[in-house]
Amino acid sequence: QQQVKQSPQSLIVQKGGISIINCAYENTAFDYFPWYQQFPGKGPALLIAIRPDVSEKKEGRFTISFNKSAKQFSLHIMDSQPGDSATYFCAASSEYSSASKIIFGSGTRLSIRP
Amino acid sequence: DAMVIQNPRYQVTQFGKPVTLSCSQTLNHNVMYWYQQKSSQAPKLLFHYYDKDFNNEADTPDNFQSRRPNTSFCFLDIRSPGLGDAAMYLCATSNRNEQYFGPGTRLTVT
Repeated sequence: QQQVKQSPQSLIVQKGGISIINCAYENTAFDYFPWYQQFPGKGPALLIAIRPDVSEKKEGRFTISFNKSAKQFSLHIMDSQPGDSATYFCAASSEYSSASKIIFGSGTRLSIRP
Repeated sequence: DAMVIQNPRYQVTQFGKPVTLSCSQTLNHNVMYWYQQKSSQAPKLLFHYYDKDFNNEADTPDNFQSRRPNTSFCFLDIRSPGLGDAAMYLCATSNRNEQYFGPGTRLTVT
């Protein structure tokens, strides 16, 4: 019940295309859903996050879509660029859990072809 | 500008030789975390501190220990590194839900 399932494991998108990564969760106590971007040899960096009281959040080319009833959320990267090539992790946490431990998805390796 | 700093960035140790990794933060966050990340995997939480309260994950081996002498610093001690402990070790901090990660220390065990 603590898992966050992420797909696909890897994704190749042409430059200018839309990249879509999907995640699903089971624990309805989760109330915070961040996405992290990680480049090789670097630590994960918070990219964008959403709370379940909204269905969509957009920051620049990055959009999170959230479906509370289906317990699913997804990251859309519009106009994908080679610089977006990285590993993306979805995650979930509960404000009521001790010290806000986050549960990571398994990650998606995104490659943007020039 | 650095918020979570990890030293060293690369560490090579011998099998069985104790090693200490360090983390410092300028964010004054209550919570500090240590994660282990192996290639192509998600970060795996080892333990975290809420202020001075230490919280160990159930599956963290006894070989891994931690110290937090003050709000700003946290250390990861690996008492007898094995080949399977070669990984990237990530430190993170948080105030509430948002976690901020350091750049990581790449540990090699020879």
